[in-house]
Amino acid sequence: SQKIEQNSEALNIQEGKTATLTCNYTNYSPAYLQWYRQDPGRGPVFLLLIRENEKEKRKERLKVTFDTTLKQSLFHITASQPADSATYLCALDITSGTYKYIFGTGTRLKVLA
Amino acid sequence: GAGVSQSPSNKVTEKGKDVELRCDPISGHTALYWYRQSLGQGLEFLIYFQGNSAPDKSGLPSDRFSAERTGGSVSTLTIQRTQQEDSAVYLCASSFFTGELFFGEGSRLTVL
Repeated sequence: SQKIEQNSEALNIQEGKTATLTCNYTNYSPAYLQWYRQDPGRGPVFLLLIRENEKEKRKERLKVTFDTTLKQSLFHITASQPADSATYLCALDITSGTYKYIFGTGTRLKVLA
Repeated sequence: GAGVSQSPSNKVTEKGKDVELRCDPISGHTALYWYRQSLGQGLEFLIYFQGNSAPDKSGLPSDRFSAERTGGSVSTLTIQRTQQEDSAVYLCASSFFTGELFFGEGSRLTVL
């Protein structure tokens, strides 16, 4: 079956460390993969978009990798801060290039002071 | 307004009633999405409008659900004969050609 999987368990890390979240998918060939942040009671907020021909994308303390062979994206937050605590969602366009986005289940990150 | 606006923010209804949820996308955005998020769960795709193309309705869970987008702008999601399992937060998003989705704050639906 087709699905997008993220760590269902919450991820707790110490402030200042690098948080690494994974997004795995099967049976899709997306042209785009995105990462979003969602705080409780709020709508998701866009963070980064990476294209299928890009291996890595950076924005400030954030880094995303995209391995189309492994069908996996990794999302890194370096020098993590308690304010980074939130749920992080990956999304991919399941019909390549159509911008029809399906979301993963999300991973809750908690950064401990 | 600068962002995606959804109304109502909260709706409590009785089982069997019909509800309408409204989404005002960002002006000029060609694509509009509806998702559903149950408590502690991820986003479930419902429907996707792109420009003047026929909408992708493949995520609508039953024929009690329908959506329309008038004039390529405002969208209404209608749920007929609501059931308790329809209780969730309904999120609307819009986007332009970059693919980045801008979300509203959602409409929380509670069916008693």
